[in-house]
Amino acid sequence: DAGVIQSPRHEVTEMGQEVTLRCKPISGHNSLFWYRQTMMRGLELLIYFNNNVPIDDSGMPEDRFSAKMPNASFSTLKIQPSEPRDSAVYFCASRSPGLEGPGELFFGEGSRLTVL
Amino acid sequence: GQNIDQPTEMTATEGAIVQINCTYQTSGFNGLFWYQQHAGEAPTFLSYNVLDGLEEKGRFSSFLSRSKGYSYLLLKELQMKDSASYLCAVSDYGGATNKLIFGTGTLLAVQP
Repeated sequence: DAGVIQSPRHEVTEMGQEVTLRCKPISGHNSLFWYRQTMMRGLELLIYFNNNVPIDDSGMPEDRFSAKMPNASFSTLKIQPSEPRDSAVYFCASRSPGLEGPGELFFGEGSRLTVL
Repeated sequence: GQNIDQPTEMTATEGAIVQINCTYQTSGFNGLFWYQQHAGEAPTFLSYNVLDGLEEKGRFSSFLSRSKGYSYLLLKELQMKDSASYLCAVSDYGGATNKLIFGTGTLLAVQP
């Protein structure tokens, strides 16, 4: 069974360019999370969706960041315009409805973004 | 607000036992998770506690005290492959939200 699939795995871009990160969750999972990881701040929750609906986007840094989930099998995180401080590893994770409790998250391999 | 604290780094010897502590303050609580993350890889699930007490799973055990806002991860019979970052995460539940908030992680170095 395929896990969470993210693309691209690595992206190097120049300041001001648009960046789009993609995620395909595990089939049957109804929650999807976008995290950003840096050495200084660890894993920060950016936004999470439940049944394709954004539930909490309080972690989205600013208007330059946007996320969509048009259907149950696809989500995007877009940064426009990108800045050097956006350089980080961006993880997507999905979760199935827990029978008891919230259920564990399954993470993708991450997208390493470098903005020059 | 939300606050999760764990030590930044720890060092231990192969074959020994190590305990990684985590304290937390969140507005809602629906369980505590521990994840392992090797360098350059994604976090992977280790354990989940929602009730007070100890959960044992092979060489790894996790403890929770909800009244104290405290958890620890216990690793026994350490192996070199246990060198990794260990992330404490709290399921923050409130209203319609049920999100997982992570601490900054404890980097464990296992030495021969």
